[in-house]
Amino acid sequence: NAGVMQNPRHLVRRRGQEARLRCSPMKGHSHVYWYRQLPEEGLKFMVYLQKENIIDESGMPKERFSAEFPKEGPSILRIQQVVRGDSAAYFCASSPWGSITSTDTQYFGPGTRLTVL
Amino acid sequence: GQQLNQSPQSMFIQEGEDVSMNCTSSSIFNTWLWYKQDPGEGPVLLIALYKAGELTSNGRLTAQFGITRKDSFLNISASIPSDVGIYFCAGTNTNAGKSTFGDGTTLTVKP
Repeated sequence: NAGVMQNPRHLVRRRGQEARLRCSPMKGHSHVYWYRQLPEEGLKFMVYLQKENIIDESGMPKERFSAEFPKEGPSILRIQQVVRGDSAAYFCASSPWGSITSTDTQYFGPGTRLTVL
Repeated sequence: GQQLNQSPQSMFIQEGEDVSMNCTSSSIFNTWLWYKQDPGEGPVLLIALYKAGELTSNGRLTAQFGITRKDSFLNISASIPSDVGIYFCAGTNTNAGKSTFGDGTTLTVKP
């Protein structure tokens, strides 16, 4: 059973370009979470999605950032007109139940390291 | 928003020593989680705690969910070189979805 898959693992963009990060959850998981990690810091929640629905986007900047999880295919985190401050590691996690029970657990992918030149 | 204070920030120990790290929160959580992150990788779940007062072991790792639900600790006994990495605590609440993470404890083990 494959774990959470993220691609690309490394992404380099110039200021003003667009970045698209993909996440395929574990088989059987329909809840996806995106987190951002700056160097020497913990993970900061960005957005929580179920298939075709955004459940909580309270951690995602209002400008330039968007996320989707279509009925078919991976979840996409999209950053438009990237700036140097967007350079970070972006992690996706998936869970089976979306925390409707306290025993729901999030499993993380290997991350995408975004570098903005 | 909820914040987790994780300490210590870093630890340098000799192989074979025991290690202890902890997390405290300004608000309660229903679930406490401990993750380990190796360089260039995502966090890997070590231990999940679901009940206040719960003490859970996973090999040489032991973690406890504080009675007040505002804290947790992780102990590693008889450390080995492969224990090197960054350890994160995280708290979640039922139906909230997101996890709140501490800033991590960086562990270095000297052979």
